[in-house]
Amino acid sequence: AQSVSQHNHHVILSEAASLELGCNYSYGGTVNLFWYVQYPGQHLQLLLKYFSGDPLVKGIKGFEAEFIKSKFSFNLRKPSVQWSDTAEYFCAVTRRDDKIIFGKGTRLHILP
Amino acid sequence: DTEVTQTPKHLVMGMTNKKSLKCEQHMGHRAMYWYKQKAKKPPELMFVYSYEKLSINESVPSRFSPECPNSSLLNLHLHALQPEDSALYLCASSQRLGQGISGANVLTFGAGSRLTVL
Repeated sequence: AQSVSQHNHHVILSEAASLELGCNYSYGGTVNLFWYVQYPGQHLQLLLKYFSGDPLVKGIKGFEAEFIKSKFSFNLRKPSVQWSDTAEYFCAVTRRDDKIIFGKGTRLHILP
Repeated sequence: DTEVTQTPKHLVMGMTNKKSLKCEQHMGHRAMYWYKQKAKKPPELMFVYSYEKLSINESVPSRFSPECPNSSLLNLHLHALQPEDSALYLCASSQRLGQGISGANVLTFGAGSRLTVL
């Protein structure tokens, strides 16, 4: 079945550590790719997106993600995390049938 | 106005009740979505409306009945729900449905309606 896989379910880091969250999708056709973030007590909001062009995309709050088509991956990165980055992060894919599918999420906890 | 507004924020209902969840956006978006999110799980797509017409129904039980009265409003009518239907119900909108390079399918989410079925 077509799916979105996030490898890390729960990540704990100290402030200033570097972050990489993995996302792989199994759909072979054209896709649009997203990372959404859900801060504690807040609603889901867009972190960044990839549609076409430069495979390295930059989002809000210093986050970036790289689309590697050959690996079906769209990993999220941040060079130096802050306590305020504590949140749940969801990778999402839009398929040709217009459905937007979310991964299971990665719960990120930053230690002050 | 760049928000999606959902009411009520919390709803408790019995299994024989009829209630409705409401969603409103004034961004001129023509695609509106209902998602269901259980604790520590990702949002699961339920319904999608495109230009006020139902475009996607993810085999949702008939006890959930969506309605899109106009381009700004989306309702979810609830009847004879089960306790396992307790969840956070999220509404979202996008400029339009479908893939593209313009970002027209980027979702804007509401804060959700937390439903408890007793």
